[in-house]
Amino acid sequence: DQQVKQNSPSLSVQEGRISILNCDYTNSMFDYFLWYKKYPAEGPTFLISISSIKDKNEDGRFTVFLNKSAKHLSLHIVPSQPGDSAVYFCAASAHLSGGSQGNLIFGKGTKLSVKP
Amino acid sequence: EAGVAQSPRYKIIEKRQSVAFWCNPISGHATLYWYQQILGQGPKLLIQFQNNGVVDDSQLPKDRFSAERLKGVDSTLKIQPAKLEDSAVYLCASSLWGSFSPLHFGNGTRLTVT
Repeated sequence: DQQVKQNSPSLSVQEGRISILNCDYTNSMFDYFLWYKKYPAEGPTFLISISSIKDKNEDGRFTVFLNKSAKHLSLHIVPSQPGDSAVYFCAASAHLSGGSQGNLIFGKGTKLSVKP
Repeated sequence: EAGVAQSPRYKIIEKRQSVAFWCNPISGHATLYWYQQILGQGPKLLIQFQNNGVVDDSQLPKDRFSAERLKGVDSTLKIQPAKLEDSAVYLCASSLWGSFSPLHFGNGTRLTVT
């Protein structure tokens, strides 16, 4: 059973417009969420994260929104650029008893294409 | 800083053969991970090391997969014997200390089992 779901396999956006990538999760114990970006033939690179104590985190053109009641998070890219074309993975982890953080569970990814 | 280094980049083997992958994490990173990414899926954790000790290997198929991290630095992942369903990209990642800090991934090894 998938605990982290990215229901849109692909998204196409015009350069300069907003890209919105969505992610849903089922495990209410998740308290730390991350987005990774992956170019072909490269490993994923960390993009932005958010803790469950916040509902928004912003870093330049990238903003992540968290809606805990809906178990939903989204990544907004404004404005979108052709170099943003990549696969975006949503990932989540849960705080474990004993103080450690559990392992990251990844979604299947959404391929973003930004057209000039 | 230098990134996570992995080798080889590509490997093609026949089923029932053995294969080994190598990873050198970012200097100073205590935690090392091996992930398997099958085409069209997200990365799935195989094993996590904290220094040279295993933290989590619950999803490692131990009848055929093995991993070690000697001296708490480099790591090797071995598959013996390989099956067709092992065809995937094997990603190594490291972090300063567990999942509290972002994971830094290497470029992976693409394994094809024929």
